[in-house]
Amino acid sequence: QSALTQPASVSGSPGQSITISCTGTSSDVGNSNFVSWFQQHPGTAPKLIIYEVTNRPSGVSHRFSASKSGNTASLTITGLQAGDEADYYCSSYTSGSTTFGGGTKLTVL
Amino acid sequence: EVQLVESGGGLVQPGGSLRLSCAASGFIFSSYWMNWVRQAPGKGLEWVATIKQDGSGKYYVDSVKGRFTISRDNAKKSLYLQMNSLRTEDTAVYYCVRDFLGFDYWGQGTQVTVSS
Repeated sequence: QSALTQPASVSGSPGQSITISCTGTSSDVGNSNFVSWFQQHPGTAPKLIIYEVTNRPSGVSHRFSASKSGNTASLTITGLQAGDEADYYCSSYTSGSTTFGGGTKLTVL
Repeated sequence: EVQLVESGGGLVQPGGSLRLSCAASGFIFSSYWMNWVRQAPGKGLEWVATIKQDGSGKYYVDSVKGRFTISRDNAKKSLYLQMNSLRTEDTAVYYCVRDFLGFDYWGQGTQVTVSS
């Protein structure tokens, strides 16, 4: 149950694209179809933005997309906007246990 | 509208106990797995426990096994977390979370502070 590895911070200018990685092992990310991503603004509860590796819940912008290769999942945000500035977390579910990444702070310059 | 409202948090001394509750509305509570997720001050998210729809399956993070118990009352549309032998490292905001194709709905959280 070790935390998944995410970069502590990423940044980009409005309109640019950024990618956040989430690295686990063959026991979690590499062997799970249940990888999710969450966005959390300060003082608020997290919001699900990606589920089952690549799927967006209804109402989530098409600017958010995700993928997985081997033991690493990735979240890409295109057309960065000021409102995207937040903390982002990945998670992986395997056999009754869920593991989160350490979180990545996205700064929009 | 899906709503999850936590209650029961507060200040407790190390070794003490608390029982968190989560009142659910706006969906068929008995049809969903439910979870508790916590977030220590200034830290990331940590999954704590999961319970299946009928309570037949319960799962815990290693650090709370033997101390915390997740339960539910489907008739009352409520989720619970009994926390015993609390430690300072259990200090966090505790979120009640619905599980459907991912953790799709979160409550606003309840603060638990373990301190002497």
